[in-house]
Amino acid sequence: GQQVMQIPQYQHVQEGEDFTTYCNSSTTLSNIQWYKQRPGGHPVFLIQLVKSGEVKKQKRLTFQFGEAKKNSSLHITATQTTDVGTYFCASSSGGYNKLIFGAGTRLAVHP
Amino acid sequence: NAGVTQTPKFQVLKTGQSMTLQCAQDMNHNSMYWYRQDPGMGLRLIYYSASEGTTDKGEVPNGYNVSRLNKREFSLRLESAAPSQTSVYFCASREQGAAEPQHFGDGTRLSIL
Repeated sequence: GQQVMQIPQYQHVQEGEDFTTYCNSSTTLSNIQWYKQRPGGHPVFLIQLVKSGEVKKQKRLTFQFGEAKKNSSLHITATQTTDVGTYFCASSSGGYNKLIFGAGTRLAVHP
Repeated sequence: NAGVTQTPKFQVLKTGQSMTLQCAQDMNHNSMYWYRQDPGMGLRLIYYSASEGTTDKGEVPNGYNVSRLNKREFSLRLESAAPSQTSVYFCASREQGAAEPQHFGDGTRLSIL
């Protein structure tokens, strides 16, 4: 079935450094959603990308959808300790009613 | 607004015991989902219900059953719990449509000894 592969699995950064996580698929995605899960919490929806080459920003977070709609990235500028958590990409391309998640990237930020 | 409510929050079972995890949403969403989350494995879809009266298997349905009791409630049952089913279980709901975000409950932390 359709899969989304996410890299890296884990990254630790010093506070103030930038961070990027990547989501890749072998098939064309109709959309990509990004979620954040704080330690001990549940995933929370951040954003959705639909259009080829789309770029969206939320404060220090920048989300991109590739031109071929097979990859996406989340970039955080100048990380803060509040950014700690696991970031998941997900896509419903595998089935209209299903959302398939990547394995997630766990971000640790050292003050 | 409660959103998605899961009960219980924690549970310990012995191998072979049965249990039903409850989930209810108050957002009038058509679609509901059950996921399990294991370290390093992300969220894996167990079962989903696209609308009231329908259920379908996800990626890892073996050992589980579900019931879409009504539009609000979607339960997950373990008939004979096994240690491999130790996990955190999340229920989610969303409005029908590929573009809609999912809303998650707080999860049930289940340990099977």
